[in-house]
Amino acid sequence: GESVGLHLPTLSVQEGDNSIINCAYSNSASDYFIWYKQESGKGPQFIIDIRSNMDKRQGQRVTVLLNKTVKHLSLQIAATQPGDSAVYFCGGMYSGGGADGLTFGKGTHLIIQP
Amino acid sequence: DVKVTQSSRYLVKRTGEKVFLECVQDMDHENMFWYRQDPGLGLRLIYFSYDVKMKEKGDIPEGYSVSREKKERFSLILESASTNQTSMYLCASTGTSATNEKLFFGSGTQLSVL
Repeated sequence: GESVGLHLPTLSVQEGDNSIINCAYSNSASDYFIWYKQESGKGPQFIIDIRSNMDKRQGQRVTVLLNKTVKHLSLQIAATQPGDSAVYFCGGMYSGGGADGLTFGKGTHLIIQP
Repeated sequence: DVKVTQSSRYLVKRTGEKVFLECVQDMDHENMFWYRQDPGLGLRLIYFSYDVKMKEKGDIPEGYSVSREKKERFSLILESASTNQTSMYLCASTGTSATNEKLFFGSGTQLSVL
């Protein structure tokens, strides 16, 4: 099966700086990856996803990078704002199965310093 | 926007009680899921359902059961609640389109078993 892990449980950044949250996965067959943001007391909210036929995908102020060679993906948040403070976690799976195969990392708590 | 609604945000129950957690989605999604989320452990899949009347065990089904009598509703049942079932419970759904990997989550139910 898949094993997905985040590198740091906590990341502290200055407001206005860029944030980079990293994630590693174990199964080379995984071809779909997803990032969620979870604010305190709320359910996870979809941020961005990427398939393995891409190395990079951009959204609004966010970019996901996928390095299949080292089985690593990262979420970059540009110009971090106080509203970005949350727990971020990644998920990965082989898309030939169902969404029950989606495995999640434990999450990185992003703290924004004023 | 997809809306996944969990009936209770906070719930306090006593050991041995039967507990029902309700989840309703409004996007005609075929697939529904129940996860629990614990600090340091991340999201763990309890049960899922890919059709009405259908249910499949996830990674940690012990102590739980589910019911899917209608397409839009997926209930999680704790037959006899125990203190180790104190947790955040998250319901999620996906459709069966090409992008069926993307889970849409509810706001969660924080269950405390005393």
